[in-house]
Amino acid sequence: DGGITQSPKYLFRKEGQNVTLSCEQNLNHDAMYWYRQDPGQGLRLIYYSQIVNDFQKGDIAEGYSVSREKKESFPLTVTSAQKNPTAFYLCASSMDTRNQPQLFGDGTRLSIL
Amino acid sequence: RKEVEQDPGPFNVPEGATVAFNCTYSNSASQSFFWYRQDCRKEPKLLMSVYSSGNEDGRFTAQLNRASQYISLLIRDSKLSDSATYLCVVNRGAAGNKLTFGGGTRVLVKP
Repeated sequence: DGGITQSPKYLFRKEGQNVTLSCEQNLNHDAMYWYRQDPGQGLRLIYYSQIVNDFQKGDIAEGYSVSREKKESFPLTVTSAQKNPTAFYLCASSMDTRNQPQLFGDGTRLSIL
Repeated sequence: RKEVEQDPGPFNVPEGATVAFNCTYSNSASQSFFWYRQDCRKEPKLLMSVYSSGNEDGRFTAQLNRASQYISLLIRDSKLSDSATYLCVVNRGAAGNKLTFGGGTRVLVKP
């Protein structure tokens, strides 16, 4: 079955620690995205990538980093510089043409220990 | 003004009734529009795209009004399983496929 897999489902971060969230898709989509959702709020774009080895900052990139070494993979690192990392993190992908909907993985919940 | 605004609700709807709600957007260059459904503590799932002429998918009807910059969603014959948060999503009109998400409208269908 084609889809987007995020892991882990739950993650706990200690002070000063970097953590990496995994996102893999087998939909052959060119574009991938990372969003953050806080309770009762809409999704906010962290980073996106339209093609392998290229990515751009979204609206709230500070304290996060990404890589796109393979088409199917777009991991997100939450660095210690992100002072309020507790949130629901969602990875999405789409065909990289305008007007295409994005499809989502089932998310990772990150909390501070 | 937020780029995409929605009434957060909740809209309390008797089972079998019809409910409708709108979403306004501020970017006149936006070209594509979607409704997503999000259940509590789950990922958003695409409900339907919204086309200029309006479109229907079963009990769901979406409309777009470009002049007034709003889209609407109507749910007929509401089912208990329709209880969810409905996210209005609009593309940003620039190159690429960046989307802006509204904060969602919560719908509670009650027996």
